[in-house]
Amino acid sequence: GEDVEQSLFLSVREGDSSVINCTYTDSSSTYLYWYKQEPGAGLQLLTYIFSNMDMKQDQRLTVLLNKKDKHLSLRIADTQTGDSAIYFCAEESGGSYIPTFGRGTSLIVHP
Amino acid sequence: NAGVTQTPKFQVLKTGQSMTLQCAQDMNHNSMYWYRQDPGMGLRLIYYSASEGTTDKGEVPNGYNVSRLNKREFSLRLESAAPSQTSVYFCASIGVSMNTEAFFGQGTRLTVV
Repeated sequence: GEDVEQSLFLSVREGDSSVINCTYTDSSSTYLYWYKQEPGAGLQLLTYIFSNMDMKQDQRLTVLLNKKDKHLSLRIADTQTGDSAIYFCAEESGGSYIPTFGRGTSLIVHP
Repeated sequence: NAGVTQTPKFQVLKTGQSMTLQCAQDMNHNSMYWYRQDPGMGLRLIYYSASEGTTDKGEVPNGYNVSRLNKREFSLRLESAAPSQTSVYFCASIGVSMNTEAFFGQGTRLTVV
């Protein structure tokens, strides 16, 4: 199986909350990341969480980490059309500074 | 502006031609990376350089070579392009000090015909 798995698509209504989920296999993961990619652009680091944390909040973004289940989620509150993009989950283990990426989740926000 | 500069943005090659993708960062990061992005595949690591003077293979290194010219620059070379190398290529640099910083270039869309 893949090291990092994400569902491929998510569709939400503007103003609702979006929750993008990710699972990973490496129990030695030290950092877990969320990146955003807008059309025709490179990836932008949105936020990251250390493996010894359960939650991190940054304005509209909330990251939850369940280390036991190796499950990471990104919640976007009050989702806007400008949030439409591909969101990548990534993990890094053992201080390697080499992120391993999931395939990305396309978030579509409709009015 | 701080960030990663990647050139060219677009390139079309014939099978067997060679080319070098250039990447430069101005954030004094030690680590630099080359990824390729294919539809439905996410990003796959081609090569990385943990520090100036070192390079290592990633997940998909075949058909590529890299050079870490100095701390700022990390180039990717295709010696004999193949249609399977049609992809979007991203350079990235990552630094860890007080906070983790990760910057990606805008990408190079390469088509090999």
